[in-house]
Amino acid sequence: GENVEQHPSTLSVQEGDSAVIKCTYSDSASNYFPWYKQELGKRPQLIIDIRSNVGEKKDQRIAVTLNKTAKHFSLHITETQPEDSAVYFCAASSGFRTGFQKLVFGTGTRLLVSP
Amino acid sequence: DGGITQSPKYLFRKEGQNVTLSCEQNLNHDAMYWYRQDPGQGLRLIYYSQIVNDFQKGDIAEGYSVSREKKESFPLTVTSAQKNPTAFYLCASSPGQGAKNYGYTFGSGTRLTVV
Repeated sequence: GENVEQHPSTLSVQEGDSAVIKCTYSDSASNYFPWYKQELGKRPQLIIDIRSNVGEKKDQRIAVTLNKTAKHFSLHITETQPEDSAVYFCAASSGFRTGFQKLVFGTGTRLLVSP
Repeated sequence: DGGITQSPKYLFRKEGQNVTLSCEQNLNHDAMYWYRQDPGQGLRLIYYSQIVNDFQKGDIAEGYSVSREKKESFPLTVTSAQKNPTAFYLCASSPGQGAKNYGYTFGSGTRLTVV
């Protein structure tokens, strides 16, 4: 089955710096890679996702890159703000073409942005 | 207001007792999922259901049971066979085949504690 590894487990940056979180996956059939943000005591929320036919996707200060050959994908946050502080989870799924997603999650990265 | 509702928010279980966690969605999603979240371990899949009256075990199904009698509802029972049930439980749903948006929508979670 799929296995997703995520690094680092914690990341501390100063406000305005960039933050990068990296994930690797094991199943070459995986074709959908979402990222979730979970604030303390709240539900995970989808912030960006990428499909295997795309190498990079941006949404304002957030971007995700995918390297299918190396089986890794990364989340990039630029100009970080204190409200970016949260736990971020990556995930992978092979269900894109079938329409059914069974996501396997990484272990999470706790991002702390200091003012 | 469309979404997923989990209840209760907090639940206390005595040793040897079965408890049921509720999950209801009004998003008309075909698929529903139960994940368990423990500190440092990310989200692990307990059970999932692609359609009504059908469900499959996830990675950590032992000690849990589910039913899917209605499209909107996917309750999780934590049985006395689950030896370490203290955790945060998250329910999620996703659209079925043919949908353009493949992301999960999560409920707000139930925190279960054994007393």
